This record gives sequence, C-alpha cells and structure tokens, in this order.
Amino acid sequence: GAGVSQTPSNKVTEKGKYVELRCDPISGHTALYWYRQSLGQGPEFLIYFQGTGAADDSGLPNDRFFAVRPEGSVSTLKIQRTERGDSAVYLCASSLNRYSEAFFGQGTRLTVV
Amino acid sequence: DAKTTQPTSMDCAEGRAANLPCNHSTISGNEYVYWYRQIHSQGPQYIIHGLKNNETNEMASLIITEDRKSSTLILPHATLRDTAVYYCIVRAQGAQKLVFGQGTRLTINP
Repeated sequence: GAGVSQTPSNKVTEKGKYVELRCDPISGHTALYWYRQSLGQGPEFLIYFQGTGAADDSGLPNDRFFAVRPEGSVSTLKIQRTERGDSAVYLCASSLNRYSEAFFGQGTRLTVV
Repeated sequence: DAKTTQPTSMDCAEGRAANLPCNHSTISGNEYVYWYRQIHSQGPQYIIHGLKNNETNEMASLIITEDRKSSTLILPHATLRDTAVYYCIVRAQGAQKLVFGQGTRLTINP
C-alpha cells in the first residue's frame, strides 16, 4: 500500500502485560513519529526517528515505553507492564524528511483491562 | 513552538465556504502555519501549510494576515465528508514534531 500501515488496528491486553505496536512507514520516508491520542484530545507527541536513531524521545511518558527502528524503516513501539492509563489510540506518521509534511496511519487502539 | 488558539466548534452548511480561524500571535519569523484534519476514527490528514503568502491547493486555501498573527483555512465548497476536527499548528522549519492543540470540530450540515 501507499500509506502508513499500523498493526494491529485494535489490541486488548491485561494490566501488567507487554505489548508491541508496529508501524510500516511510506517507502523512502526517513522521518518517523509516534503519537498517542486519548479520547477527545489532540495527538500527543511521543518520539521521533530520523533514520535508525531516536532524535527526540522527550514525549515518552516513562521508562515503560520504548521504541525502535533498527533498519530505518519499520518501527515498533513497546510498552512494558501496561497500565489502564495507557489505553489510547497510538498513531504513527512518516515524512520524506523533517522538513516535509507528515502522513499518518490509522492508528492502533490499545485497551488495557 | 508558538501556541495556537482555535474555536472549539463550528457549523457550516453543505455547499457553502467553511472559514476556520486560528490565532497565533506569538509566531516567530521562521515558523510555518500547518493545517491538519482528523475525520472520526482516522489518523490526521495533512491539508496545507504556509509561511507568509497565501496558499491554495486542491483541498483548501490558507490566508495568513500580513502580521502573521492569525490565519484562516478556507474550504470553498464544504461537503458532508469535510466534517472533522481541524488542527492549526505552528511549526518551525525543520522542527522535529507537530504539537497538536484541541482543534476545531467542524460540522457540515445538509
């Protein structure tokens, strides 16, 4: 597909479990972003990758959250010891470079029960 | 990044022009104005951006005041599919992230 792809689209997990959320950016896009969106709020920045490296991880709420992008393409957001407050839609976006507009995926809706 | 102020909600009749205002009185000289929208249950969608000149594309027009302290996004002939939350964002060139506010919930009525 031509757009940003996120899997799974929905994830329900139990409190305390570990989850991984995947993002396939648009081919050739070097910049990749993760955002989190709670109900009724605008998206909240989590982390930004330029290539393989995390250039800005200032939005990660705590050390239970971690993201990787080992080959500069696909990225995985990892959440350890999930809490009910982690329930949200997690959005991924990519752009050709940091000067270009970002294209967002449909998001992964995470529900922690 | 400069903060933006938008009305919480707006209504517009189908077929009419929808004019969405945004205030960004603390904008700096190197900061661009970006507009995104988010249709229910979808990710945000890029609409348009500009620095100081008015811009137009197939989706919308962006009018930026001469002092750059405010702007207006214009959807010339609104359709029901334009119902969405519209976000006005100010971003420095090369800045690493978009900072979203609450946006304007635009409802297009038949």
